[in-house]
Order: sequence, then C-alpha cells, then structure tokens
Amino acid sequence: EDKVVQSPLSLVVHEGDTVTLNCSYEVTNFRSLLWYKQEKKAPTFLFMLTSSGIEKKSGRLSSILDKKELSSILNITATQTGDSAIYLCASTGNQFYFGTGTSLTVIP
Amino acid sequence: DSGVTQTPKHLITATGQRVTLRCSPRSGDLSVYWYQQSLDQGLQFLIHYYNGEERAKGNILERFSAQQFPDLHSELNLSSLELGDSALYFCASSPGPGTEAFFGQGTRLTVV
Repeated sequence: EDKVVQSPLSLVVHEGDTVTLNCSYEVTNFRSLLWYKQEKKAPTFLFMLTSSGIEKKSGRLSSILDKKELSSILNITATQTGDSAIYLCASTGNQFYFGTGTSLTVIP
Repeated sequence: DSGVTQTPKHLITATGQRVTLRCSPRSGDLSVYWYQQSLDQGLQFLIHYYNGEERAKGNILERFSAQQFPDLHSELNLSSLELGDSALYFCASSPGPGTEAFFGQGTRLTVV
C-alpha cells in the first residue's frame, strides 16, 4: 500500500532555531516529492523534487530528496513566528499522496 | 491567489441532503484533484481527473461522485450527507500528473 510518513508530528521551537522535517515515502511509480505549507486554509506550494541529491532553496527554506532512502528533508533556518504552520509532504505516483503533516510552532 | 477557484466557500446543510462543490482549475491545467480534510486530519485524497477522464481514486465513498467537464472545471457531488462528512474540501490543479499542484481556498461543508 502506498504511503507517505512525516516526522515529527509536532515541533515547538524558539525563534532563530533551525528545524529539520522528515518525509519518507513508499509510492508505486514515483514521479516527484512535493512540500507544502498550510497555515489557516489552503496548502501553498513550496518545492517539487524529482532528482536525488539536488537541493532546492528558497530563502531560509531548503529541501533535498534521497531516492535511495525514499526520503526527503525540509530545513528551515533562523525560524520566525511566521513559519508556524503545518508542513505537508506529498508524493506523486499513481495518486497524489499527502502525509499527515508536521505541525511547527515557533515561539518568540 | 493560486488561480484555482472553489465555490461555495461555506456550505451548511442538513443530514440526508445532497450538495455540489465546484472547482475551476488554473488556466491551462488539465489535472484536477479533490481532497477531504476533517478537523485535525490530514489531506485525504478522493479522486483525480485528467483532461476529462478519471485517473485515480482514493478513499472516496460511494455516496460521493465527481466529474470533469470539457471546459476542465470539476464538480464533486456529495449525497445522503452524514454528520461525519463535515470537513474542508479542497480542489487542486496541475498541468499534469507528477507536477506541482496548486490548491483552491477550499469549501467548508458543515452537515447539521
């Protein structure tokens, strides 16, 4: 059965800390791994990864895919309160599967 | 603004009723995905359409059905509604399978 698993489920950090969110997948006919940020409403797209070992970066956020380990990490450096959200990982294959998300809370 | 439009934003209806949720994808996107998100739950994949054809089905109940029309907009029909169907229903669109999907703002359905 295809699945996407994220860890940790929940994380509370202080502003300025660096966090690493994990995503592992077992998906038939894997095509890509995506990261989204969900605040109050709709998830917003962050990154799409298709090639192993190539880091994608956007400001303080970065992500990398390891196809051998069937996993991906999302790093956030110098966290800010505005980073507080649920971070969702999704894998596309035969379907578009989402993990249950990691809830990140950044305390001032 | 993602470019994906969902209507209505909110819907309150009684048990046993039927509702239709509508989604207009981003211009040029051929894939439409539907998801259900209940309180404190993750995004549950319901169904995927590509260029008018059903591509994949997830955990979609038999009481639910969907279709994608020639103009690429999609509708999700929910019938014989139960209290447990109360949730946020998201639509997402992408150019095609395997590409990044962009989400609409969701329709919040409350069944009373």
